Amino acid sequence: LAKTTQPISMDSYEGQEVNITCSHNNIATNDYITWYQQFPSQGPRFIIQGYKTKVTNEVASLFIPADRKSSTLSLPRVSLSDTAVYYCLVGYMDTGRRALTFGSGTRLQVQP
Amino acid sequence: EAQVTQNPRYLITVTGKKLTVTCSQNMNHEYMSWYRQDPGLGLRQIYYSMNVEVTDKGDVPEGYKVSRKEKRNFPLILESPSPNQTSLYFCASSLRTGGLPGAFFGQGTRLTVV
Repeated sequence: LAKTTQPISMDSYEGQEVNITCSHNNIATNDYITWYQQFPSQGPRFIIQGYKTKVTNEVASLFIPADRKSSTLSLPRVSLSDTAVYYCLVGYMDTGRRALTFGSGTRLQVQP
Repeated sequence: EAQVTQNPRYLITVTGKKLTVTCSQNMNHEYMSWYRQDPGLGLRQIYYSMNVEVTDKGDVPEGYKVSRKEKRNFPLILESPSPNQTSLYFCASSLRTGGLPGAFFGQGTRLTVV
């Protein structure tokens, strides 16, 4: 299973762009990269998923370089409500493959 | 509304008293799983199920059992709970395609074993 490494914490201010990078050196060919957001005492919430290059949705962008050994979650113009823990997961769900493990995540604190 | 529902949300029990935490999803997902979350340890997977009657161990299965008799339900069973199973538990479900590892999570069950 691919292991991931993220910064333990990050600080930002409202209105700024926040980039959280995840390292996954042993990512496998079929693996996808998925990011979740978690607020205290709530279940993780899916943010975005990608396989290569760039993916964008209404809340975030995900940048994946050609070697796929890292990925960057980009949150544009963060607000106080973006204060949460962000998890990067790497894996692929298929018959015969074990499912996935969350790392310790990155705690993002957004200040006014 | 698409959702994963866990019950109960909070539970205090005594050592050795069997308990079941229920999990139900209304999205016809094949894949369901259970996680526990502890301070400093993140989310660790307990068991998962790829479909009805198909279950497998995650990273921390000791002391837990699961069953998947119906597609929508995936109960977590603690036959003889111990204090080290005090934790916040999450159930998750997703389609069994591509890289969506439990895209929907329940609201969690906070279990205290005394």
